Amino acid sequence: QPVLTQPPSASASLGASVTLTCTLTSDYSYYKVDWYQQRPGKGPRFVMRVGTDGIVGSRGDGIPDRFSVSGSGLHRYLTITDIKGEDESDYHCGVDYGSGGNFGWVFGGGTKLTVL
Amino acid sequence: QVQLQESGPGLVKPSQTLSLTCIVSGASISSDDFYWHWIRQSPGKGLEWVGYMYHSGTSYYNPSLKSRVTISMDTSKNHFSLSLNSVTAADSAFYFCARYAFYYGDFNFLDSWGPGTLVTVSS
Repeated sequence: QPVLTQPPSASASLGASVTLTCTLTSDYSYYKVDWYQQRPGKGPRFVMRVGTDGIVGSRGDGIPDRFSVSGSGLHRYLTITDIKGEDESDYHCGVDYGSGGNFGWVFGGGTKLTVL
Repeated sequence: QVQLQESGPGLVKPSQTLSLTCIVSGASISSDDFYWHWIRQSPGKGLEWVGYMYHSGTSYYNPSLKSRVTISMDTSKNHFSLSLNSVTAADSAFYFCARYAFYYGDFNFLDSWGPGTLVTVSS
């Protein structure tokens, strides 16, 4: 099964931009990754799905166009521009995998974004 | 608008069975378009997938939990449940139920989550 790696923390100032990274293990470079935002004390909510060609489908409900995604090789990126205080959250990436009757979901460790 | 709400005991003794229910409103758990998941999160940690069930009865579980987990559905009450036996302190976590929806093509994802419920394993 795939393994997803995320830096545990990131920070950015109000009005600035930040790019969060999710890295897949090498056998899964073609996988599409889902990004989820989790505000303190809340359940996660879907942000976007991303492959190497960029966004798959559309942004999740209520996700502003300040959020964008891209992908290259083993890396899947979530970029937030014009950062606002409400963006301070944990951001999780996840994939669903399945082959030969072995199905499941895997998440990265999450990145805590602090807004300065 | 679909809503999911977890319910169950907040405290479970070691070696006993953790049981939670997810009440679903605004969508039918019998629909062909959804999988129904349990996902947990130890305080301050990342998300860990527990398992999912489809209305046909098909279910898949995290290999690390497979021997202890059962997910079941009650379509008459439109809810699904999680049972985790032989719990230890390592099973203490926030437990979330969530819906995975098939929209089109490759655009499928966990689109609705409950607020989560904290379960502590302690004597």
